[in-house]
Amino acid sequence: DAGITQSPRHKVTETGTPVTLRCHQTENHRYMYWYRQDPGHGLRLIHYSYGVKDTDKGEVSDGYSVSRSKTEDFLLTLESATSSQTSVYFCAISESIIHRSYEQYFGPGTRLTVT
Amino acid sequence: QQPVQSPQAVILREGEDAVINCSSSKALYSVHWYRQKHGEAPVFLMILLKGGEQKGHEKISASFNEKKQQSSLYLTASQLSYSGTYFCGTAQPRDDKIIFGKGTRLHILP
Repeated sequence: DAGITQSPRHKVTETGTPVTLRCHQTENHRYMYWYRQDPGHGLRLIHYSYGVKDTDKGEVSDGYSVSRSKTEDFLLTLESATSSQTSVYFCAISESIIHRSYEQYFGPGTRLTVT
Repeated sequence: QQPVQSPQAVILREGEDAVINCSSSKALYSVHWYRQKHGEAPVFLMILLKGGEQKGHEKISASFNEKKQQSSLYLTASQLSYSGTYFCGTAQPRDDKIIFGKGTRLHILP
């Protein structure tokens, strides 16, 4: 299994509070991704990174920011959490440019509940 | 823009075959297939590249029609372990991200 962890695994927070989710990898892969998964919507890309300090937006980036100061860590921040951000968040890593790297490895997920 | 998967759900008996379809409105470079079991993370099954290269699972096959921007996943002689949600993901030329569809739920009965 690819060395990818997410923390925390579960979190309950109140509306309006800031939340940071962490993705940590030990594979030295260049690409890292944040997805959210909601019933009826599948996996939707929030942000991704193609190197240290290099990030770009995905399909549903509003209300989220990311940072990557080291190869192994990719942080997802909800500046002011809303109930619509209640979801399961998956981090994924990829070795190279996606269509030549053959696969993404997914972390175990973080279940976030915003009350 | 998310690719469209069909059907949304399918129930089979063990040993039957299934086909899951994926279509995109945009030109594609590659199509990726993942399976997710309940409560777990998605797991890679297969990638199909423009030009015909294919890498993936031993017992699951797939096709990629580049002109129609469509892909199909074929599950033959299904096993109980095939149950789960199948996602197709698409990547466009000169792009380094995958956009996933909403998924197809597959349930295999004994």
